Amino acid sequence: GAVVSQHPSRVICKSGTSVKIECRSLDFQATTMFWYRQFPKQSLMLMATSNEGSKATYEQGVEKDKFLINHASLTLSTLTVTSAHPEDSSFYICSAGSLAGHEQFFGPGTRLTVL
Amino acid sequence: QQQVKQSPQSLIVQKGGISIINCAYENTAFDYFPWYQQFPGKGPALLIAIRPDVSEKKEGRFTISFNKSAKQFSLHIMDSQPGDSATYFCAASIGNAGNMLTFGGGTRLMVKP
Repeated sequence: GAVVSQHPSRVICKSGTSVKIECRSLDFQATTMFWYRQFPKQSLMLMATSNEGSKATYEQGVEKDKFLINHASLTLSTLTVTSAHPEDSSFYICSAGSLAGHEQFFGPGTRLTVL
Repeated sequence: QQQVKQSPQSLIVQKGGISIINCAYENTAFDYFPWYQQFPGKGPALLIAIRPDVSEKKEGRFTISFNKSAKQFSLHIMDSQPGDSATYFCAASIGNAGNMLTFGGGTRLMVKP
């Protein structure tokens, strides 16, 4: 099956710093990538939809100036958490949709801890 | 508004038993219904998916049953194993993979040896 990678898998940072998370589709081209956050024992919450070469579409309640998304190519999307605070600590997961069909493939997730 | 409702929230099954997880949806435009399996600290992995033109799909020990008129679908895990212990999410979407998935709330399954 298609593989989606995320880097880093885990990051710990101080409050006020910015953190960049990369999401790559390794063996297919993804015109659309999605970013989710997941709190413990909860479902995935969609943050934004990222289309290659255009601005991301953010879900209601998600601050676009805080969560910067760039989808520069068909295989790479990045999420930057700017001026991170402890309440931003969460599990961030990306997914990518292939041009071929319905399936979305998820990355392994990034655990962000803001001290 | 929660468009996909999943139950139960948690489930304990003995090894060898059948695990059943149910989902109900509201939007009749949904045309793709995947199930994902997630282990702690990992991303969700696609388990099995169904389109509304069939009422059942089976892959190994996993079966999706789909009831279009009732707007419900369920996951059955036959001969449940301790290795199946994970969180399971149903989801629904419209059109192709470029469209967002709407997730259910998840079911934490524990299979006891």
